[in-house]
Amino acid sequence: SQQGEEDPQALSIQEGENATMNCSYKTSINNLQWYRQNSGRGLVHLILIRSNEREKHSGRLRVTLDTSKKSSSLLITASRAADTASYFCATEPGGGNKLTFGTGTQLKVEL
Amino acid sequence: DAGVIQSPRHEVTEMGQEVTLRCKPISGHNSLFWYRQTMMRGLELLIYFNNNVPIDDSGMPEDRFSAKMPNASFSTLKIQPSEPRDSAVYFCASSFRTGSVGNTIYFGEGSWLTVV
Repeated sequence: SQQGEEDPQALSIQEGENATMNCSYKTSINNLQWYRQNSGRGLVHLILIRSNEREKHSGRLRVTLDTSKKSSSLLITASRAADTASYFCATEPGGGNKLTFGTGTQLKVEL
Repeated sequence: DAGVIQSPRHEVTEMGQEVTLRCKPISGHNSLFWYRQTMMRGLELLIYFNNNVPIDDSGMPEDRFSAKMPNASFSTLKIQPSEPRDSAVYFCASSFRTGSVGNTIYFGEGSWLTVV
């Protein structure tokens, strides 16, 4: 079963709007990561947030983590057509070396 | 720097044939992962190695699948015999594991396997 479940499964927005994706996970974690996958390509790491952090920023990305609710969100501000991709959260359940990915959110940014 | 290199990028094979996927991790990385991605099951971790040693192969579907890492710069994933349900994109990824920072991993571009 998936450690992480993203929602929504698919999201379509207009360029310039903000996109918010959510991730829920099941077990305790040391950190949570977000990755991006363009169609037909491998995944690319975006950002990592540690379990003792509540919010982190990187450029137009803002990630939050609520360990009490076992959930995280990824916000992309001022979206661009080039942000069209699938976005995955990933965790290492129990702190091991076994990075497990969620089901992903497909984001489409239209001009 | 070269990223994770996988070959072949695309392979179409007949059911029953042996398939070998190859991976060259990023130089200096000490962990290597094999993932499989399908529409139905998403991204599944098949096996991972630390310092060339297989640590967890619980994700390997069945005995038809095997993976080796003979040295720090090369790994293979073999399917013998292949079946149509093995059709998927197989990703190799590598990382440098340090303490408790978190295991940020770098993916190859994938090997697209179709078994007919």
